[in-house]
Amino acid sequence: SQTIHQWPATLVQPVGSPLSLECTVEGTSNPNLYWYRQAAGRGLQLLFYSVGIGQISSEVPQNLSASRPQDRQFILSSKKLLLSDSGFYLCAWSVPRARGSYEQYFGPGTRLTVT
Amino acid sequence: KQEVTQIPAALSVPEGENLVLNCSFTDSAIYNLQWFRQDPGKGLTSLLLIQSSQREQTSGRLNASLDKSSGRSTLYIAASQPGDSATYLCAGVSSGSARQLTFGSGTQLTVLP
Repeated sequence: SQTIHQWPATLVQPVGSPLSLECTVEGTSNPNLYWYRQAAGRGLQLLFYSVGIGQISSEVPQNLSASRPQDRQFILSSKKLLLSDSGFYLCAWSVPRARGSYEQYFGPGTRLTVT
Repeated sequence: KQEVTQIPAALSVPEGENLVLNCSFTDSAIYNLQWFRQDPGKGLTSLLLIQSSQREQTSGRLNASLDKSSGRSTLYIAASQPGDSATYLCAGVSSGSARQLTFGSGTQLTVLP
């Protein structure tokens, strides 16, 4: 069976500090990978997605970057955090299934508070 | 660009009631539509996926329908229970190669015992 892991679960960082959030998927190969952010009182926003190693697409301009160094590893980074980077960060994966469906599965999330 | 709207934003019902959550989308060329559940402080749990060629999907007490022509989907919950209390999110799956999701803002459901 497939599982998705995210760490850390909770993070409190000062403004201007760097960030690295990690997501790994087990039990599947060549998944599409996604990073979403859920800010307080707002909906889920897609930040980045990747269809393969080293292939990153950004949905919105921002202070963050993403990398995919291995097939099942997705990393979200920042060189200098802003207060507006606070939120709940969710990683997700999908693979094509029967009749071309792409059901997405989400990790447990990382709660980031920038102080 | 796809936009997804969910109404109502919040709903409170007594236990045992049947209820319907609504989702509307602007781009009828969606690939799939997916319904999720989110408990406070937790990640999303996939409930149902409806492919564009399908009209409905069922899982236990849940039934989701999709009408692409009208740009609507509904999630029907039968015989609601307090354990159903959560935020329910619908998301349209794009036809692009990465199959990105565009989310609605969710319906916060409270089932009163």
